Amino acid sequence: DQQVKQNSPSLSVQEGRISILNCDYTNSMFDYFLWYKKYPAEGPTFLISISSIKDKNEDGRFTVFLNKSAKHLSLHIVPSQPGDSAVYFCAAQKRGGKIIFGKGTRLHILP
Amino acid sequence: NAGVTQTPKFQVLKTGQSMTLQCAQDMNHEYMSWYRQDPGMGLRLIHYSVGAGITDQGEVPNGYNVSRSTTEDFPLRLLSAAPSQTSVYFCASSTRSARLGSYNEQFFGPGTRLTVL
Repeated sequence: DQQVKQNSPSLSVQEGRISILNCDYTNSMFDYFLWYKKYPAEGPTFLISISSIKDKNEDGRFTVFLNKSAKHLSLHIVPSQPGDSAVYFCAAQKRGGKIIFGKGTRLHILP
Repeated sequence: NAGVTQTPKFQVLKTGQSMTLQCAQDMNHEYMSWYRQDPGMGLRLIHYSVGAGITDQGEVPNGYNVSRSTTEDFPLRLLSAAPSQTSVYFCASSTRSARLGSYNEQFFGPGTRLTVL
């Protein structure tokens, strides 16, 4: 049973436009949601998080939105840059518990 | 700080061989975890540890053993390698945060690419 779902394996976006990566979850008990970014041949790195008590968190070009009623979150990247081309993993965690990762979405930023 | 280090970077094994993937961190983190990444499967948790002497199973523990004798090290042992264990393995560490509203940001190592023939 997949608790964290990223239904788009890949996404292509023009440089300078907005990238929107989506994630759905099934467990309403998660306390935190996180996004990790991964380049080829490197380990994932933490990008941004949001607590379940909030509906938006912004950090520079990156904004995460949480819709608890729909059990859905999204990562917005504005404007998209070539260095944003990577695999993005959505993850969810209960406080102090294990982190559950989605399967990832590969983002391609087109010149 | 070196962060999280993993050795080796690459390894090829024959079916039935055993080996240990090494992981070390110098950030004094309580939590350490092992994940495997397979195409189309994302990151799946193999085993994790909340502190020295304490380990627990993740989603896909079969065929793997771990131990945590020190805070710094968390080796992953393949007892009898199988082709299904061909994967990229990531070790991660994080602090244990008791503050309300906090989460455990995980720091990942660079990975070990394992091929089992």
